[in-house]
Amino acid sequence: GAVVSQHPSWVICKSGTSVKIECRSLDFQATTMFWYRQFPKQSLMLMATSNEGSKATYEQGVEKDKFLINHASLTLSTLTVTSAHPEDSSFYICSVILAGYRDTQYFGPGTRLTVL
Amino acid sequence: GNSVTQMEGPVTLSEEAFLTINCTYTATGYPSLFWYVQYPGEGLQLLLKATKADDKGSNKGFEATYRKETTSFHLEKGSVQVSDSAVYFCALSPPYQGAQKLVFGQGTRLTINP
Repeated sequence: GAVVSQHPSWVICKSGTSVKIECRSLDFQATTMFWYRQFPKQSLMLMATSNEGSKATYEQGVEKDKFLINHASLTLSTLTVTSAHPEDSSFYICSVILAGYRDTQYFGPGTRLTVL
Repeated sequence: GNSVTQMEGPVTLSEEAFLTINCTYTATGYPSLFWYVQYPGEGLQLLLKATKADDKGSNKGFEATYRKETTSFHLEKGSVQVSDSAVYFCALSPPYQGAQKLVFGQGTRLTINP
């Protein structure tokens, strides 16, 4: 069965609004969670890495004030796209590394964000 | 820096055909190498991996061998099925990082026709 869930699976919002995406590790504790962005027909680009209870580490070029990450527990991380604009439209994917299984990332099904 | 290059898709084959998806990488030292598969509407799933030179990863009839001399990790399957239709991603992680800091190729869409 699925190890990671994301909610919502797709969302449409107006320009200027904020959108929150949840990533949950089902039944297992995640030591580390990752957020990726995937443009159409392109690869996954790592946005940030987060560990429970500490601040996320953002990749170069990713605006931390625009993409707020909260890793509140060992099973939940949220990504908030603040003041979204059409160029933020993309497929956002989270993944986790489970405690004791550092050699494998488990991916969520992704969230399609469309900003009008 | 680290990078992964995959053959461009889409790739369309008939059922029972032989499949090869090329993947080459650039990295310092000995990275770990992975193939992930993304079925329609689902998240990426680990298909196979290899952590040192000459290792062969295999799963579900797919194989890939870690070739340090050619910096390659080509994915092969002897006889594909319609259910293999998906997007395949080659990826690496730097030495001693486990599955952290994955660097992905651009993905190859595979369609298998009955």
